Formats: sequence, C-alpha cells, structure tokens
Amino acid sequence: AQTVTQSQPEMSVQEAETVTLSCTYDTSESDYYLFWYKQPPSRQMILVIRQEAYKQQNATENRFSVNFQKAAKSFSLKISDSQLGDAAMYFCAYRSALAGGTSYGKLTFGQGTILTVHP
Amino acid sequence: NAGVMQNPRHLVRRRGQEARLRCSPVKGHSHVYWYRQLPEEGLKFMVYLQKENIIDESGMPKERFSAEFPKEGPSILRIQQVVRGDSAAYFCASSPRITGEEKLFFGSGTQLSVL
Repeated sequence: AQTVTQSQPEMSVQEAETVTLSCTYDTSESDYYLFWYKQPPSRQMILVIRQEAYKQQNATENRFSVNFQKAAKSFSLKISDSQLGDAAMYFCAYRSALAGGTSYGKLTFGQGTILTVHP
Repeated sequence: NAGVMQNPRHLVRRRGQEARLRCSPVKGHSHVYWYRQLPEEGLKFMVYLQKENIIDESGMPKERFSAEFPKEGPSILRIQQVVRGDSAAYFCASSPRITGEEKLFFGSGTQLSVL
C-alpha cells in the first residue's frame, strides 16, 4: 500500500516571500501521479498542481512549482511571491496510474501542512 | 469545481441516529468517490461508485456504512446508528470517466457532528 507523509504540521511565510512544503511517499509502483491540493477554511479542495511520475520535468503553475525527486520519493511544493490568499491547509496526494484499474479516483493523502501567511 | 454539490453542509446527529449525506456530481459525471476527513488528518478514501454500481468499497467500514449512486438522483452515503467516532468531514468527488488524465472535482464536504 502507498503512504504519503508530510512532516511539517505547520509552516509560516511572510507575504511576497517563498516557502517550500515537504512531502515524501512510499510506493512500489513505477507509474503514478502526485498532487498538491489546497484546502482553505471553506473546506473546498482545490487542485494546485499535478505531476506525472514518468515526466522528468518538474510541473509549474504560475507561482507554484514542484521539486520531484523520483528516486528519493520526494515531492515538495514551492510557493513563490506568497500572497495572503495562499493561507490554507495543503495536502500532498498520490494516485496510481495502473491502466484499467479502479484506482484513478482513489487518492492517498498526507496529513496536511497548515500554511500561515504574515502581512 | 463548484459543480459538485453536497448537502447538508453541516449535520448534527445524536448517537444511535442515522445520517444521510447527499452528493450531486458535476452534470454528466458518472463516477463518484467518497472520502472522510477526521480531525487533524488528511482525506481517506471510502468508496468508488458508478451509476447503480459499487466498484471499490475497500475503504468503507464493514458495518453501519453504505453508499449508493442510483440511476436518477444524487449519490447517498448512509451511516446507521452513528457513534461519536463518526464525527468528521465527508467529501464527495466526481469525474466524467476513469483515465489517468482525468481531474477529480471535489465538493465542499458535509461536516457530521455526533453528540
């Protein structure tokens, strides 16, 4: 079974600064997807960024980028130019890419990191 | 993302009562997933349904919990004889099909409180 670990329960950053959230995972599969989700106080789960394991290039979405280290099974999220609206709980998640399986919507989540942004 | 509708947003039940949580997926989506989020934890998969079929219920507790996704109407997660440990946020997600490229759309969850 896959596991996802977020070792930072809480992180804080000053507005306009950069912060990195850590995530490690364990799997025996070679093909999979990794995600970062944002959960603000409204509880809505918002997809921030997605990485396919077979792609060596790190995914980037505007101010959000990842550092994907497949051999180390590490998947960190970097938020540049932090904004007050970035304050939320952030979850790292894993999904198998097994063809034909029922696992496409079956995500394994980490415990989450609460991000505080100071003005 | 706002297309997945869950209701009620908050549900309070006393121990021993039944809880029924409803999820209307994005229009046209035929795949629904239920997740549970206990306090201070990440979301945990419970069940995956297609229209009128349960595909994967490996995350469902063996007793008191059931789920359905009828041909017409919303998906329902039903918890019988609730206990305090059932207090959690329950999330529904939907997708139009199952491929590795598909994005999951999440609802805003139902917060169940058991007194």
